[in-house]
Amino acid sequence: GAVVSQHPSWVICKSGTSVKIECRSLDFQATTMFWYRQFPKQSLMLMATSNEGSKATYEQGVEKDKFLINHASLTLSTLTVTSAHPEDSSFYICSANRLASSYEQYFGPGTRLTVT
Amino acid sequence: GENVEQHPSTLSVQEGDSAVIKCTYSDSASNYFPWYKQELGKRPQLIIDIRSNVGEKKDQRIAVTLNKTAKHFSLHITETQPEDSAVYFCAASSTGNQFYFGTGTSLTVIP
Repeated sequence: GAVVSQHPSWVICKSGTSVKIECRSLDFQATTMFWYRQFPKQSLMLMATSNEGSKATYEQGVEKDKFLINHASLTLSTLTVTSAHPEDSSFYICSANRLASSYEQYFGPGTRLTVT
Repeated sequence: GENVEQHPSTLSVQEGDSAVIKCTYSDSASNYFPWYKQELGKRPQLIIDIRSNVGEKKDQRIAVTLNKTAKHFSLHITETQPEDSAVYFCAASSTGNQFYFGTGTSLTVIP
């Protein structure tokens, strides 16, 4: 149990366009979902934390108007990269908490975004 | 905010030897410390975690120790095997709502 999926796994888009990435918890309800960004051979950088039905909490330095997060249900969170630029190219990973009392995170497989 | 430092960045060991990775954290409110293994192109997988009310936890060949006073925790892998080769990340959290990761350690186990 505790499977998290992401879609798409890989996407290429042109500069100026927007891309939506979905994160789903397949077999559990996620009280909290997290979005991370990972550069090659680097660590995971927390971008934002989202709870179902409320606004996401963004980390310092992350532009909320550029990285729109919607946590529409207990099993789905989306990250939309708006007006994408080449510097937005990265590996985006989501994770989810299964229970409010548990700190355990379950990671999605990640989405490779390339902006040309 | 929390600052997690991790050392070393790369580590090579002979098969069968032990590997130790160390992390320090800055926020004394942090109370949950997970370790993740990430193979190339794959998602991070939780391998062991420890809470601040425990000083040590062991799971077969993997153990984690925590020193709250010094604000550091370590991952110990004994009898290493080639399949242990991966990048390992430590993390710290105080609320379960924010996780801060170390910079990662690339472990290579030489057969």
